[in-house]
Amino acid sequence: GAGVSQSPRYKVAKRGQDVALRCDPISGHVSLFWYQQALGQGPEFLTYFQNEAQLDKSGLPSDRFFAERPEGSVSTLKIQRTQQEDSAVYLCASSFGATNEKLFFGSGTQLSVL
Amino acid sequence: AQKITQTQPGMFVQEKEAVTLDCTYDTSDPSYGLFWYKQPSSGEMIFLIYQGSYDQQNATEGRYSLNFQKARKSANLVISASQLGDSAMYFCAMRPYSGAGSYQLTFGKGTKLSVIP
Repeated sequence: GAGVSQSPRYKVAKRGQDVALRCDPISGHVSLFWYQQALGQGPEFLTYFQNEAQLDKSGLPSDRFFAERPEGSVSTLKIQRTQQEDSAVYLCASSFGATNEKLFFGSGTQLSVL
Repeated sequence: AQKITQTQPGMFVQEKEAVTLDCTYDTSDPSYGLFWYKQPSSGEMIFLIYQGSYDQQNATEGRYSLNFQKARKSANLVISASQLGDSAMYFCAMRPYSGAGSYQLTFGKGTKLSVIP
């Protein structure tokens, strides 16, 4: 596709369940980012990949959050033992180069933990 | 650490008029980038404009311009000739160019712009 694709668009999980969120960046984009956006707030940085290397994971809130990008394209954000405070929109973004300033965002996955 | 402050939770503008969305920032980094993104109800963040801290001239992209005042640490977005499609949330963001957080965009809380026909 032409843009960044995220799936699923909506996810409802019971507290304690594991979830996996997928991001398909624009083909050829080197950089991939995950952001978390709580209701009424701006996005907050979670993690950054340059190709398959995870160069910054300082924004992951706890060790229940794990992200991977094994072949340098598709990325998965996994949340184990979900809790209510994990409810948010998870945004994925990609950019062409390592220092390219223009990020292309997907429409996000809205996660609701009941 | 970086901080972005957007003091206007909501703004109204008449169609075809210009509007300024305020943004102030705080950082101790000597060089950084400033950004504005638009988020319509579909949820996708759309890049609008970028300003580097060492750029001498204010950035412009079509109807968007960034009023950069470094001494005041402000980076206001000016939208000229507002259109109904401009109704959305607008986020100011910044990224330092050195240090541990140099890959991270820090966003403000956003301003909801409503364009009135």
